[in-house]
Amino acid sequence: QSVLTQPPSVSAAPGQKVTISCSGSSSNIGNNYVSWYQQLPGTAPKLLIYENNKRPSGIPDRFSGSKSGTSATLGITGLQTGDEADYYCGTWDSSLSALNWVFGGGTKLTVL
Amino acid sequence: QVQLVESGGGLVKPGGSLRLSCAASGFTFSDYYMSWIRQAPGKGLEWVSYISSSGSTIYYADSVKGRFTISRDNAKNSLYLQMNSLRAEDTAVYYCASWRRGSYDYWGQGTLVTVSS
Repeated sequence: QSVLTQPPSVSAAPGQKVTISCSGSSSNIGNNYVSWYQQLPGTAPKLLIYENNKRPSGIPDRFSGSKSGTSATLGITGLQTGDEADYYCGTWDSSLSALNWVFGGGTKLTVL
Repeated sequence: QVQLVESGGGLVKPGGSLRLSCAASGFTFSDYYMSWIRQAPGKGLEWVSYISSSGSTIYYADSVKGRFTISRDNAKNSLYLQMNSLRAEDTAVYYCASWRRGSYDYWGQGTLVTVSS
């Protein structure tokens, strides 16, 4: 059970837009940057968004990130079949008298 | 280009030990904080440990504290994870990842650790 809550799955048609939420608390998202990762089947995770809303070089602007309070959101527009993957949010958490990095449970995106 | 290559995974009996290595290239390894992150079969990502660029600051997940030790050799551009008292629940693909700008920006391809009798 992760301290960051993501929906287990989302789906949308090609060309459409989808959002994936990541809900936390003041001990994690509320006071830290959030990053997002894409894991295509059988591959290692890849950084999509850092510092809440910034894209690394090479990540298309179809991917966007935002944060408000203790929640963050990943948005993907112009969905492509190649976007089918697991998506994870991540941030620091300081709720247990220690500093730990935490990931959300992951969201499986299906492009119908 | 940046490369992180893990090695050292394999099959080990419960209670046994294993040492993972991660060879880094394509960037100034000594400037980067690094981590180990694992993924059990069919499960999500689980952060394991983190080490600062100099090795002076280290954090562990509660699930591995006291059993795993992270270390690095900046002269060899290498990151290590010594895993002792292994349990079945430690079975996972272990990734090394570099930490920069508040995120894990580069990941290796992973090495599989299987703990089974």
